[in-house]
Amino acid sequence: DSGVTQTPKHLITATGQRVTLRCSPRSGDLSVYWYQQSLDQGLQFLIQYYNGEERAKGNILERFSAQQFPDLHSELNLSSLELGDSALYFCASSVGDAYSYEQYFGPGTRLTVT
Amino acid sequence: AQSVTQLDSQVPVFEEAPVELRCNYSSSVSVYLFWYVQYPNQGLQLLLKYLSGSTLVKGINGFEAEFNKSQTSFHLRKPSVHISDTAEYFCACIYGGSQGNLIFGKGTKLSVKP
Repeated sequence: DSGVTQTPKHLITATGQRVTLRCSPRSGDLSVYWYQQSLDQGLQFLIQYYNGEERAKGNILERFSAQQFPDLHSELNLSSLELGDSALYFCASSVGDAYSYEQYFGPGTRLTVT
Repeated sequence: AQSVTQLDSQVPVFEEAPVELRCNYSSSVSVYLFWYVQYPNQGLQLLLKYLSGSTLVKGINGFEAEFNKSQTSFHLRKPSVHISDTAEYFCACIYGGSQGNLIFGKGTKLSVKP
């Protein structure tokens, strides 16, 4: 158990819908990262927040957005869903925002768009 | 674009045999390298990392990796595998100047047979 929690574990929804994925980092971690794992693209970095502020952006679509709240939990919002958005979405957390800090991964949320 | 290449998508081996999982990165500028393991239906767990110093890095579960700057490689090795090592292994890197977001390879599925 990494200490990072993600809810829900599974999500099935239809095209065009909007969903919210939630992540609670390990106690004391200030940085949250979101990754997408799909068969086509593999594991891709989406976005990083550090202590409530956006720090880095990767291959995140404009239909997707995220935020980190004052209690440090984070939410990833996916809208106008397409079949290709079906994937496993991981959240990771670390103490700091630099490369030297180990990232601890949550168990993921499996999103299925039908 | 910066990338990580894992040359083998699947590696079958017999129990107690040695194994090497290959990883190459795309640039010779400052780079920080990681190996993660993903067991079925679980998140990623850090096996080992190279940030600086000794090029031979030892990690958990008896794994080790060697950073080779001239060959831009970071191959993962274990002298004797167990059935429990069956999992998917991901090589990842963070390039100098970026934040802590990881760039992942496509993964190598290690299958250990009795």
